[in-house]
Amino acid sequence: GQSLEQPSEVTAVEGAIVQINCTYQTSGFYGLSWYQQHDGGAPTFLSYNALDGLEETGRFSSFLSRSDSYGYLLLQELQMKDSASYFCATYTGGFKTIFGAGTRLFVKA
Amino acid sequence: NAGVTQTPKFQVLKTGQSMTLQCAQDMNHNSMYWYRQDPGMGLRLIYYSASEGTTDKGEVPNGYNVSRLNKREFSLRLESAAPSQTSVYFCASSEAGQEAFFGQGTRLTVV
Repeated sequence: GQSLEQPSEVTAVEGAIVQINCTYQTSGFYGLSWYQQHDGGAPTFLSYNALDGLEETGRFSSFLSRSDSYGYLLLQELQMKDSASYFCATYTGGFKTIFGAGTRLFVKA
Repeated sequence: NAGVTQTPKFQVLKTGQSMTLQCAQDMNHNSMYWYRQDPGMGLRLIYYSASEGTTDKGEVPNGYNVSRLNKREFSLRLESAAPSQTSVYFCASSEAGQEAFFGQGTRLTVV
């Protein structure tokens, strides 16, 4: 079977750093993606890790450890507009992508 | 640059009615997907199409059928709608699975 676990909610203060963790269990694994979704909107792609290590894109970074079946999304210099849901997703080959249940991030002033 | 276009955006159905959700992408992607998202939950894969002419079941295919009409279009059909199918439906496309582009969603209510 396939499953992804991530916290349901995280709260942080504007300007702070927050880390959203994701552990996965899949029958096949090619990489881990992260998506952002604002209320009422569509998911939008943030990052993809195929290899171990950290990938940085502006204020957002994503990390993967294949041996630990674990990854995280790091958001720095939090802004109010970062309040959204964040989903990790595994690409398991066969052109199939499975999503976690999502982490709701609340950014407080 | 439209990306992924879904129609309709909103729909109310009575139990037992049928309908087809349409999806088209203009990015020349090979793979297309249909997901459903229920309140406070993640996206669950209904069906996907790795390439034109192929379709496969995802996590929750029961009650749905799909057609990959051509490379651009991938439709989702509900033959006999049930209240349990009330959800937001998203179509997505990708080239190789790593980065998916989503449509704006169809908000379906079955009464």
